[in-house]
Amino acid sequence: EAGVAQSPRYKIIEKRQSVAFWCNPISGHATLYWYQQILGQGPKLLIQFQNNGVVDDSQLPKDRFSAERLKGVDSTLKIQPAKLEDSAVYLCASSLGYTTQYFGPGTRLTVL
Amino acid sequence: GIQVEQSPPDLILQEGANSTLRCNFSDSVNNLQWFHQNPWGQLINLFYIPSGTKQNGRLSATTVATERYSLLYISSSQTTDSGVYFCAVVKGLGSNNNDMRFGAGTRLTVKP
Repeated sequence: EAGVAQSPRYKIIEKRQSVAFWCNPISGHATLYWYQQILGQGPKLLIQFQNNGVVDDSQLPKDRFSAERLKGVDSTLKIQPAKLEDSAVYLCASSLGYTTQYFGPGTRLTVL
Repeated sequence: GIQVEQSPPDLILQEGANSTLRCNFSDSVNNLQWFHQNPWGQLINLFYIPSGTKQNGRLSATTVATERYSLLYISSSQTTDSGVYFCAVVKGLGSNNNDMRFGAGTRLTVKP
């Protein structure tokens, strides 16, 4: 069974630029999550999708972050414009129902 | 929201030694997972253990839900066990209560 796929693995941008990350969950997993992990901390949930609907985006900085889940499968997370403090690893996870969450390899973003 | 505390924050072991990592949480939970984050940043599921005891090779975990703590045991540690171990919990059961909260992690270094 293929795991959660994410791309790109690394991204370096200047502040005020835009960036987008892509996630493909495990086949059949209806629930998809985006997390932000700042160096030295545990991951923090940004947004949760159930199929193509948003369940929880209470911790998403909506003035600059947006996310969508196309047809209930793939998802993209966008930052526009990026700030220095957005430097982090962005992790995508998926689950079958509301139990075990499986994580992708992450995208490491550096904002200069 | 629910608080998750892990101890110790750092642990250095000699290869072959045993260790116990602890996770305390502030409220009742329906989901608890232990993860190992390897040096490349990948979060690897170790256990889904909202209650009871499980074992997988040299690793085992116990969650005492009524006392709001979980323990991860590593026996006969190897250098490949190095990395950060995270405990993560979910309070609710269902689409509106699936926010997974992570502890700050325990950084384990196993020396040869």
